[in-house]
Amino acid sequence: DQQVKQNSPSLSVQEGRISILNCDYTNSMFDYFLWYKKYPAEGPTFLISISSIKDKNEDGRFTVFLNKSAKHLSLHIVPSQPGDSAVYFCAARTNFGNEKLTFGTGTRLTIIP
Amino acid sequence: EPEVTQTPSHQVTQMGQEVILRCVPISNHLYFYWYRQILGQKVEFLVSFYNNEISEKSEIFDDQFSVERPDGSNFTLKIRSTKLEDSAMYFCASSANIEQYFGPGTRLTVT
Repeated sequence: DQQVKQNSPSLSVQEGRISILNCDYTNSMFDYFLWYKKYPAEGPTFLISISSIKDKNEDGRFTVFLNKSAKHLSLHIVPSQPGDSAVYFCAARTNFGNEKLTFGTGTRLTIIP
Repeated sequence: EPEVTQTPSHQVTQMGQEVILRCVPISNHLYFYWYRQILGQKVEFLVSFYNNEISEKSEIFDDQFSVERPDGSNFTLKIRSTKLEDSAMYFCASSANIEQYFGPGTRLTVT
């Protein structure tokens, strides 16, 4: 049951360039989307979220874009820094109470100095 | 900055033994969760807890699992009789609204 999919298991980007991580979902009841960053042996760290009523949310170097009709979202990191090297998870939830997060499989981002 | 803490960081147990994983959520949060991640797989929801009761649980969260908030600060996950397939990273999370904040995890190894 892959309601949230991240089709790229890995991505390498040069330092200073833009990193674009993609996520697709199938459940049209999802109304909030979140991105988490995870280092080995640590818990996921919340990065940025977006409500389904918006198509863009920006926070510093991180911007999330949502295309509801395509059921697709992306995380842009610009400029990419070596400390951004980590696994990035897309997660989604519905709006019935305080709901569980459904995670994607993650994309390992490597920033090349 | 407030953070979720978990103990122990690593627990090794024999099959059939009981384990208790402990979490201290962020103090003003009201919603608590347990997730797990088996090596190489995605993070999976186990259970959510609000107002001293379970609000939702997944198929994974069977009768061998239980959660408790024994006092005003701790949130525990108990596995009564561990199986080999329970070996995973277990993450506690808490939230006040939408964003969930995760602890560093407990690595459970069942031998």
